[in-house]
Amino acid sequence: QKEVEQDPGPLSVPEGAIVSLNCTYSNSAFQYFMWYRQYSRKGPELLMYTYSSGNKEDGRFTAQVDKSSKYISLFIRDSQPSDSATYLCAMSAPGANSKLTFGKGITLSVRP
Amino acid sequence: GAVVSQHPSRVICKSGTSVKIECRSLDFQATTMFWYRQFPKQSLMLMATSNEGSKATYEQGVEKDKFLINHASLTLSTLTVTSAHPEDSSFYICSARTTSTDTQYFGPGTRLTVL
Repeated sequence: QKEVEQDPGPLSVPEGAIVSLNCTYSNSAFQYFMWYRQYSRKGPELLMYTYSSGNKEDGRFTAQVDKSSKYISLFIRDSQPSDSATYLCAMSAPGANSKLTFGKGITLSVRP
Repeated sequence: GAVVSQHPSRVICKSGTSVKIECRSLDFQATTMFWYRQFPKQSLMLMATSNEGSKATYEQGVEKDKFLINHASLTLSTLTVTSAHPEDSSFYICSARTTSTDTQYFGPGTRLTVL
């Protein structure tokens, strides 16, 4: 079993739809959870960062963490064509040199 | 805040030459920087972790003599691909870890093409 599993894609939705992206993990040591957005030929951009169970909202984005179920989600409301990108979940354990463990990424396409 | 730059953004070189890529944290100090490699349609593959003032820690299978990493200051790390070959052609991305949070901010990436 991989440490981080991310729902496979690709995913295509119409503009305005609510998008739900999900990852599960197996390592109980993971305490920090991130979602990155990566446009083609660009570096990943940090979208959301959380370290506790519950919801965190930032504009149209909501990150949800359920540590008891080892499950994280990213919700995108009122999706826009500009949201079309690859979304990567990532997580890490505490520690100065702690590495990020990524999901495989899911490519989202928002149709106008 | 938390901006990371990379230079150059794109480089084309001949086989056998060496290429240096710079990674800078512009508005914060980064005691730890990371170097990744990404192939098309794949996730990021960690190559090495570098700490300011000490030797880098390489992931299994990454040749330390081929991919030289120097982290001379709290805002600058460099990756030198020595004696580059066509199979080294890839997208190289650095990240910098802030001391205030356990997260990493990524640079825009460097596309290396070795002819």
